[in-house]
Amino acid sequence: DADVTQTPRNRITKTGKRIMLECSQTKGHDRMYWYRQDPGLGLRLIYYSFDVKDINKGEISDGYSVSRQAQAKFSLSLESAIPNQTALYFCATSDAGTGGSGANVLTFGAGSRLTVL
Amino acid sequence: AQRVTQPEKLLSVFKGAPVELKCNYSYSGSPELFWYVQYSRQRLQLLLRHISRESIKGFTADLNKGETSFHLKKPFAQEEDSAMYYCALVLGSGNTGKLIFGQGTTLQVKP
Repeated sequence: DADVTQTPRNRITKTGKRIMLECSQTKGHDRMYWYRQDPGLGLRLIYYSFDVKDINKGEISDGYSVSRQAQAKFSLSLESAIPNQTALYFCATSDAGTGGSGANVLTFGAGSRLTVL
Repeated sequence: AQRVTQPEKLLSVFKGAPVELKCNYSYSGSPELFWYVQYSRQRLQLLLRHISRESIKGFTADLNKGETSFHLKKPFAQEEDSAMYYCALVLGSGNTGKLIFGQGTTLQVKP
C-alpha cells in the first residue's frame, strides 16, 4: 500500500464548483504539505501543516483552503474553482522527529490532476 | 528572496555520455539543497541532498557557495536515468520542511 495516498487521481470540473482533494498517510509523519505543479514553474507550496492545530499558508494560498482532520489526513479545497487552478497537485509529508534535517526530506503522493473548464 | 533556477527545460544526451543538470540558487544564508527525481509513472522522490555528500545511482552534486550552484552530475548516463529532475532549496534555515523548487529539467538519455 502507498504511504501517501491522494484522491481523486484525476478530476475534471467546471468554473465555480467546489472541489476537495484529499490526502492520507500511513507513515506517521507529523508534517503535511500541498504543492502545485505547473509546466515551466516547478512545484509551488500552497499550504503546510506541522500538526493538527498548526496550519500555515505557503507562497500561493489565495483561492485555496485546507483542513487537517487528523494527523494522517490533510485536505485541500478550492471553494470556487477557476481555470488557472488547472494543475497537478501533490501532497507530501515529512517527519520532524527524525534526526538532523529529516523534516526537510519529503515523501510525495502520486498526485491529483485537476482540470477546471 | 530565495530562488532556485534550473536553466534547462530539456537535456538530451546519448547513453554513456556525461551529464550535468544545472541548478543555481539565491540565498544569503547557509543553504540546504536537494535533488528530487520523478521517473515515468513514479512518484517524485528524493535523489540526494548536499549535507549527505553521497553518490546515489552514480549521481553526485557539490555545493559551490561561490557560484551559488548545486549542479547534478553523472559521468556516464544510462537510459534508466531518463526522468524529470528538480533542484530544491529549504526555505529559511533549519528544519522548516518548506522547500522551494526549481522549474525542473527533463533528462532524456538516448540509446
